[in-house]
Amino acid sequence: NAGVMQNPRHLVRRRGQEARLRCSPMKGHSHVYWYRQLPEEGLKFMVYLQKENIIDESGMPKERFSAEFPKEGPSILRIQQVVRGDSAAYFCASSPTRTETNTEAFFGQGTRLTVV
Amino acid sequence: QKEVEQDPGPLSVPEGAIVSLNCTYSNSAFQYFMWYRQYSRKGPELLMYTYSSGNKEDGRFTAQVDKSSKYISLFIRDSQPSDSATYLCAMSRGGSQGNLIFGKGTKLSVKP
Repeated sequence: NAGVMQNPRHLVRRRGQEARLRCSPMKGHSHVYWYRQLPEEGLKFMVYLQKENIIDESGMPKERFSAEFPKEGPSILRIQQVVRGDSAAYFCASSPTRTETNTEAFFGQGTRLTVV
Repeated sequence: QKEVEQDPGPLSVPEGAIVSLNCTYSNSAFQYFMWYRQYSRKGPELLMYTYSSGNKEDGRFTAQVDKSSKYISLFIRDSQPSDSATYLCAMSRGGSQGNLIFGKGTKLSVKP
């Protein structure tokens, strides 16, 4: 059973470009969470998705950031017009379908975004 | 007051020592408590998962939750150099608010 798969592992973008980060959850998991980890900071929640639904986006910046989890394919975190402050490690986590255990989240290896 | 407080350390112990890691929290709605281990430049790895109060043991690891004091702990017995990592506590309200709130992490170094 493969773990949570994220790609790319490293991404370099120039200021103003778009960044697309992909996450394939573990088999049997239908809950996906995105987190951001800034240097010397803890993990900060960004968005919680189920297939074709955004459940909680209270941690997403109001502009330039969007996320989706389509019926088919991976979840995508999209950052438009990147700025240097977006440089961070972005982690995706997935959890099982059963509601009572949907907080047992397993993380991918992360995508390290560098904006130059 | 932050929702979850965790001493960042660093914490350095000799091999074989018992390690105690702790977090406090302010939100009484948290029901699910987790400990993650994160090696440098890697993703967090789930170590322990606990619902509500009580103890849970898994090998050399023991997790304790005291909801009355809003305090959780992770104990590592017979610590090994391979345990050197950052340990993150995390908690959640569950359900549609299933996102995790993390502590900043405690950096642990186990010296041989």
